[in-house]
Amino acid sequence: SQQGEEDPQALSIQEGENATMNCSYKTSINNLQWYRQNSGRGLVHLILIRSNEREKHSGRLRVTLDTSKKSSSLLITASRAADTASYFCATGFHTGANSKLTFGKGITLSVRP
Amino acid sequence: DTAVSQTPKYLVTQMGNDKSIKCEQNLGHDTMYWYKQDSKKFLKIMFSYNNKELIINETVPNRFSPKSPDKAHLNLHINSLELGDSAVYFCASSPLGGAGGEKLFFGSGTQLSVL
Repeated sequence: SQQGEEDPQALSIQEGENATMNCSYKTSINNLQWYRQNSGRGLVHLILIRSNEREKHSGRLRVTLDTSKKSSSLLITASRAADTASYFCATGFHTGANSKLTFGKGITLSVRP
Repeated sequence: DTAVSQTPKYLVTQMGNDKSIKCEQNLGHDTMYWYKQDSKKFLKIMFSYNNKELIINETVPNRFSPKSPDKAHLNLHINSLELGDSAVYFCASSPLGGAGGEKLFFGSGTQLSVL
């Protein structure tokens, strides 16, 4: 069954504003990852947060994880037109060799110049 | 020097045909995957292989048959193509299982259109 569910489904902001995207999931996880997909391209890994972590930063990205609420958020500060893309959260759960990432449906972010 | 490369990028074919998509990674990773992305951008795992061994086989019709000749290659063969197979298929790789904390590296996708 699908794990991550992002919201909103679409977000349109002005360049320079911050963008906040949320992800909720249903079962236990080992880690949660965020990916970006530009139109017509493959997914690119942005940031990973493990289940025992609450917050991580990477450049203009800040991700939080609340395992009690089974939710995560991705904040992009000072957005740029080049941030326009689809963003996916992916939940990771593994038992030995049987590991997989389960992706949500994605959020379409449009950053207006 | 592309890390994960898949061919072809576009594939247009008639219903009932058989087609293959090839994937190669030069990252030295042990695990490779096939994902299917539908028109609503929902990305669903189909298969994963670890060092040529099938690890994950989701509920995919048996018309889809992956083949891994070595750990750097994972091909996808599709028999008797149907309209519903139209989607973008992504190959990916990771050092171990991905969900263990390793990120996935994706190819640029193969857009399959079944007419």
